[in-house]
Amino acid sequence: EVQLVQSGAEVKKPGESLKISCKGSGYTFTNYYIGWVRQMPGKGLEWMGIINPGDSDTRISPSFQGQVTISADKSITTAYLQWSSLKASDTAMYYCALYPGEYFQHWGQGTLVTVSS
Amino acid sequence: DIVMTQTPLSSPVTLGQPASISCKSSESLVHSDGNTYLSWLQQRPGQPPRLLIYKISNRFSGVPDRFSGSGAGTDFTLKISRVEAEDVGVYYCMQATQFPTFGQGTRLEIK
Repeated sequence: EVQLVQSGAEVKKPGESLKISCKGSGYTFTNYYIGWVRQMPGKGLEWMGIINPGDSDTRISPSFQGQVTISADKSITTAYLQWSSLKASDTAMYYCALYPGEYFQHWGQGTLVTVSS
Repeated sequence: DIVMTQTPLSSPVTLGQPASISCKSSESLVHSDGNTYLSWLQQRPGQPPRLLIYKISNRFSGVPDRFSGSGAGTDFTLKISRVEAEDVGVYYCMQATQFPTFGQGTRLEIK
C-alpha cells in the first residue's frame, strides 16, 4: 500500500527556519516525483514544486521560487520542504503527494505550520 | 500560468440528486504528446485531497462509478450521478499540461 507520512505540526516565530518531511513507502521511491502543495487557512490548493528523488531534479513554481527549498534523501525514502526564514504568511497546511507526472495520486496527511510571534 | 476557473463555487444538492461542476482553462490542455492532463480531486472536511479522476475521464482506483469526468480542450465537467452524504466537501480541478495549477474549488453541500 502506498503511504506518504508527513512530520507533525510546527509552531514557529517569524525569521526562524524549518524543515518538514514526507516519508514514502509501499512503492519504489525513486520512480516517481513527489510534489508539495500549500493550503492557506480556508483557501484552495497551490502547487509549490516537485522533486524526482532518483536524481534530485527539482522544479519550483515561480510563485515560490526563492522562498522554499525542496530536497530528498532516497536512502531513507524521505522528501523535504524547508524555509530559511519564515514569515507569518507561511502559516498554512502543507501536503506532499505522489506525482507520476500527470496528477497527484496519493497524498500525505498534511503538516500544519503556524508562524506567529 | 494556465488559469483554471470553476463554476459554481458552491453547489447545494439534494441527496440522491445529480451534481455537476464545470472547469474551464485559460488555454488548451492538450499536451504535445496528445494527452490532456486534467484531473479532479475531492477534499472532505478536515481531510487531505483525494484523486478522483485523471486524464479527463479515468476514475482512480476505489472511486465509485457515480463519479464521471468529461470534456476536451478547455472545457471540462465532473458529474456525480446521485449525491451521497459522504460526497460533501470541496472539489478541485487541476491541470498538469504545464506547471500544475488548480481551480479555486467548488463546495458541495447538502440542501
